[in-house]
Amino acid sequence: QQQVKQSPQSLIVQKGGISIINCAYENTAFDYFPWYQQFPGKGPALLIAIRPDVSEKKEGRFTISFNKSAKQFSLHIMDSQPGDSATYFCAASFDRGSRLTFGEGTQLTVNP
Amino acid sequence: GAGVSQTPSNKVTEKGKYVELRCDPISGHTALYWYRQSLGQGPEFLIYFQGTGAADDSGLPNDRFFAVRPEGSVSTLKIQRTERGDSAVYLCASSSGGAETQYFGPGTRLLVL
Repeated sequence: QQQVKQSPQSLIVQKGGISIINCAYENTAFDYFPWYQQFPGKGPALLIAIRPDVSEKKEGRFTISFNKSAKQFSLHIMDSQPGDSATYFCAASFDRGSRLTFGEGTQLTVNP
Repeated sequence: GAGVSQTPSNKVTEKGKYVELRCDPISGHTALYWYRQSLGQGPEFLIYFQGTGAADDSGLPNDRFFAVRPEGSVSTLKIQRTERGDSAVYLCASSSGGAETQYFGPGTRLLVL
C-alpha cells in the first residue's frame, strides 16, 4: 500500500533554476514530513522537515510548502546547483520515533 | 563524531544461504531502524528497536527475516534461506530516544545469485 506518492520521477533543471518536487499522502494521522537527499552509494540524509502546524519552512535554498487540506507537500530548491544532483525522497511518519514511509523518489539532475 | 556504520558494505551469496548484516548506530542512540531499498525505489521499513526490544516488526516480509539488538547498541539483521528477490540495499538508521531525525548508514548491498 503506497501511502506517500511522489512526482515527478525525474527532473532536469538548469543551474540557477528552481527545482520543485511534489508529494501527496493519504493518512491524516501523519504528523512529521521530512525530505531526504541521497547520493549514489550513500544512505539518505535529512535535508529539511516540517510538521503540519506550519504551512512553510525555509532553510537556506530549500523550502517545504505544506497544504494540510490537500494532503500535499512540496520541496522547492532555489538557485539549483550541479551539486544538488541527487535522488530526493519525501517521507512521513505518525509520531516521534516511529517508522518513516517514503515516496518513490525523484532523480534530480542540475545541468551546468 | 562517527555516524551509523554498516558491515559488510557488499555481500554476494547464493540462493538458499544464510546471511547476517550488521549495524553500528550512533553512540547513545536508543532507537534503531532497518529499511530495505530496492533499485529505483524508496526505502521500505522492516523493523524498529527501542533499546533491546523490537517496538515494531510489522515490516518484516516473512519469517525468513529476523533481527536482534541484544545489548541495545549493535543490531544484526538475519536472513535465512535467501532468495533472489531479497537482493536490495539494506539500510540501517538510528535516532536518539524520542527524536524525529533518523540518521542513515551507507547500507549493505546484498546480491543473491
